[in-house]
Amino acid sequence: EIVLTQSPGILSLSPGERATLSCRASQGFSNNYLSWYQQKPGQAPRLLIYGASKRATGIPDTFSGSGSGTEFTLTISRLEAEDFAVYYCQQYGSTPWTFGQGTKVEIK
Amino acid sequence: EVQLVQSGAEVKKPGESLKISCKGSGYNFTSYWIGWVRQMPGKGLEWMGIIYPGDSDTRYSPSFQGQVTMSADKSSSTAYLQWSSLEASDTAMYYCARPTGYPHWYFDLWGRGTMVTVSS
Repeated sequence: EIVLTQSPGILSLSPGERATLSCRASQGFSNNYLSWYQQKPGQAPRLLIYGASKRATGIPDTFSGSGSGTEFTLTISRLEAEDFAVYYCQQYGSTPWTFGQGTKVEIK
Repeated sequence: EVQLVQSGAEVKKPGESLKISCKGSGYNFTSYWIGWVRQMPGKGLEWMGIIYPGDSDTRYSPSFQGQVTMSADKSSSTAYLQWSSLEASDTAMYYCARPTGYPHWYFDLWGRGTMVTVSS
């Protein structure tokens, strides 16, 4: 099973700042099949990024994904008030598909 | 509107059985897999397994194999997740979610979740 480790656990930033979230895999997997989700309290997760770098429908270009192999990054270029949430990465290149433990982006 | 509508919250006692549902609408339900994801209180997301409603082909995560049963009813466009004997550790929010499909197993459509509480 591939373990995804996200860092940092908590990221304290101010609106307008840049957020950089990391997702590291215990081993490589197919085709950079990595996605990112945003989850707000009391809500279901929402797909942001798939294929490591492709934005899902309706996701603003302030969100970008990058990386390959075992190191992946989600960048939010300028934090808006609605971006403060928990973010999860997921690999779907190797079963069982696995999620990272999450990074909480909180208001500083 | 394309959506997954899940059944309401459940409160059960240890040892009881339970079946929760996820009804798809606005798309061809039999042409997409449906997955289930667990989120224990205050914790992260865990993939439990997927089912293809077209032929009920089912794949379980090893962590959940034998612990739950997934099924689907094509006629009502509904997927189900069931337990035969609940434990307190089954207390969690359970989401159904639709993967895009082979080989892109990311989830682009989610239900709102069903909260299951198991307590004596």
